[in-house]
Amino acid sequence: ETGVTQTPRHLVMGMTNKKSLKCEQHLGHNAMYWYKQSAKKPLELMFVYSLEERVENNSVPSRFSPECPNSSHLFLHLHTLQPEDSALYLCASSQDKTGAEETQYFGPGTRLLVL
Amino acid sequence: GENVEQHPSTLSVQEGDSAVIKCTYSDSASNYFPWYKQELGKRPQLIIDIRSNVGEKKDQRIAVTLNKTAKHFSLHITETQPEDSAVYFCAAGTSSNTGKLIFGQGTTLQVKP
Repeated sequence: ETGVTQTPRHLVMGMTNKKSLKCEQHLGHNAMYWYKQSAKKPLELMFVYSLEERVENNSVPSRFSPECPNSSHLFLHLHTLQPEDSALYLCASSQDKTGAEETQYFGPGTRLLVL
Repeated sequence: GENVEQHPSTLSVQEGDSAVIKCTYSDSASNYFPWYKQELGKRPQLIIDIRSNVGEKKDQRIAVTLNKTAKHFSLHITETQPEDSAVYFCAAGTSSNTGKLIFGQGTTLQVKP
């Protein structure tokens, strides 16, 4: 349960605020992911980083800005969000970058509410 | 675009009965099919996965079957227990599509004691 950690676990922010979500993995993995989980919708992949390089940007609005300073840490910087951005944001990691055949291990998520 | 359809969206069974959840995928190049279980307020966790070179895989009370021709795969849970109650997600991945799993909409399984 401690392989992938996320902070904060809950966040309430106004539309003019700037905040950051943090993810850390202790599994020695090389790939990290951001997902958005909204009610009644499938998990939506937002970003994929492999060896600190962004390899996938799934048409995410620019108000979400990822940062991967090293293979253990991943950030999601938030600014001027909209109420519809309220969701559970999940971080995940996997061993390798060589395709979608690796088990992805999820963090506990950050529950975000945008007012 | 790539798509994974999952059914049913909700499923209620009596303890001890079997539960089956079905998924279909659109990308014929998909070759990896994991299933995740997400309990209320917790993270998704992998419970079983199957690759395209195998038609069936079993792990104790859970099994997954894959029909590549029809592009569908199913999760089977036998002898269900109340602790099996959760949301189950299927996903499809392609080795040529780095890290990108396409998830189904999820099935809320309720096992009644």
